[in-house]
Amino acid sequence: GQNIDQPTEMTATEGAIVQINCTYQTSGFNGLFWYQQHAGEAPTFLSYNVLDGLEEKGRFSSFLSRSKGYSYLLLKELQMKDSASYLCAGYNNNDMRFGAGTRLTVKP
Amino acid sequence: EAQVTQNPRYLITVTGKKLTVTCSQNMNHEYMSWYRQDPGLGLRQIYYSMNVEVTDKGDVPEGYKVSRKEKRNFPLILESPSPNQTSLYFCASRSLGTGENQPQHFGDGTRLSIL
Repeated sequence: GQNIDQPTEMTATEGAIVQINCTYQTSGFNGLFWYQQHAGEAPTFLSYNVLDGLEEKGRFSSFLSRSKGYSYLLLKELQMKDSASYLCAGYNNNDMRFGAGTRLTVKP
Repeated sequence: EAQVTQNPRYLITVTGKKLTVTCSQNMNHEYMSWYRQDPGLGLRQIYYSMNVEVTDKGDVPEGYKVSRKEKRNFPLILESPSPNQTSLYFCASRSLGTGENQPQHFGDGTRLSIL
């Protein structure tokens, strides 16, 4: 099966760095995605990791360790607009499975 | 503009009254899927489709039907809606042609309330 776990809520300060962790237990795992979702809106794609290591995209980076079943999303230079839920998701063959999401609140 | 379009965006209805939520994508994607999102539970897959006339159950298919008669459309049907189907629903699509590492594109969501 595929269980994806991430913290429910996090709080950080504007301008700071925050790391959102995700652990998974899976068979047939094909890659790890991160999505951002503002309240009441559709999830939007942030990043994808299929190999171990760090993928950097501007202020956002994502890391994957397949041997440890572990990923994190790193957000730098936090802005108020980064307040949102962040969803960790993985493909099990052709099914994309999502974690419950981490709600990040950025405070001034 | 590449997009996934769902209709309606909001619907309040009563138990037992059949309803259909439409989903259409203009990206020629083979794969389409439906999710429901509930507080604390995240996105759960209802049904997915790999191509025309090919549909499969996801994690929570009970009480739902889908069809895929055309590549661009993937309607979600609730034959006899019940209050436990009150939720936020998302349709999504992705390409299968270039490998599995394609993100899904989501519609704007449909908020259903079943009274």
